[in-house]
Amino acid sequence: NAGVMQNPRHLVRRRGQEARLRCSPMKGHSHVYWYRQLPEEGLKFMVYLQKENIIDESGMPKERFSAEFPKEGPSILRIQQVVRGDSAAYFCASSRQGAAARGTQYFGPGTRLTVL
Amino acid sequence: AQTVTQSQPEMSVQEAETVTLSCTYDTSESDYYLFWYKQPPSRQMILVIRQEAYKQQNATENRFSVNFQKAAKSFSLKISDSQLGDAAMYFCAYRSTLQGAQKLVFGQGTRLTINP
Repeated sequence: NAGVMQNPRHLVRRRGQEARLRCSPMKGHSHVYWYRQLPEEGLKFMVYLQKENIIDESGMPKERFSAEFPKEGPSILRIQQVVRGDSAAYFCASSRQGAAARGTQYFGPGTRLTVL
Repeated sequence: AQTVTQSQPEMSVQEAETVTLSCTYDTSESDYYLFWYKQPPSRQMILVIRQEAYKQQNATENRFSVNFQKAAKSFSLKISDSQLGDAAMYFCAYRSTLQGAQKLVFGQGTRLTINP
């Protein structure tokens, strides 16, 4: 049973370019979460999505950042006009629906974004 | 808003000995989940152990156990018979049970070193 998949694992962009990070949840999981980890810090929540819906985007910067989880295909975190401060590791996690999920989120390997 | 605090930025322990990592949290909710995640140098986030707040019994997973003190809002992790592979960053995390509030709130992390 494949785990959470993220690609690319490493992404280098120049200031002003766009970054697209992809996340495929575990089979049977319909909830996706994105977190950001700055160097030497803990993970910070960005956004929580279910299929075709954004449930909680309270951690998402208001500008330049967007996320989607379409009916078909992976979840996408999109960062427009990247700046050096966007350099970080971006982690995706997924969970099953319902009480049986018991709150557990399973993480992907992360995408390390470097902005030159 | 909930907060999670890990007051030990770094800890070290001799191989085969026992170490305890501290975590405190703040919440007004009565039911919630608590987790310990491990992040080795590969940066993959690995679930170590989970505790449901309504359960009085402390969770255990092989060499890993927790001391959950609900009234004190404390959730420490004990690692017995430490092994070199336990060296990693350890993050404590909180998750609400409220619908739509399923994000994980992480502490700052504790870097654990195992001395051979």
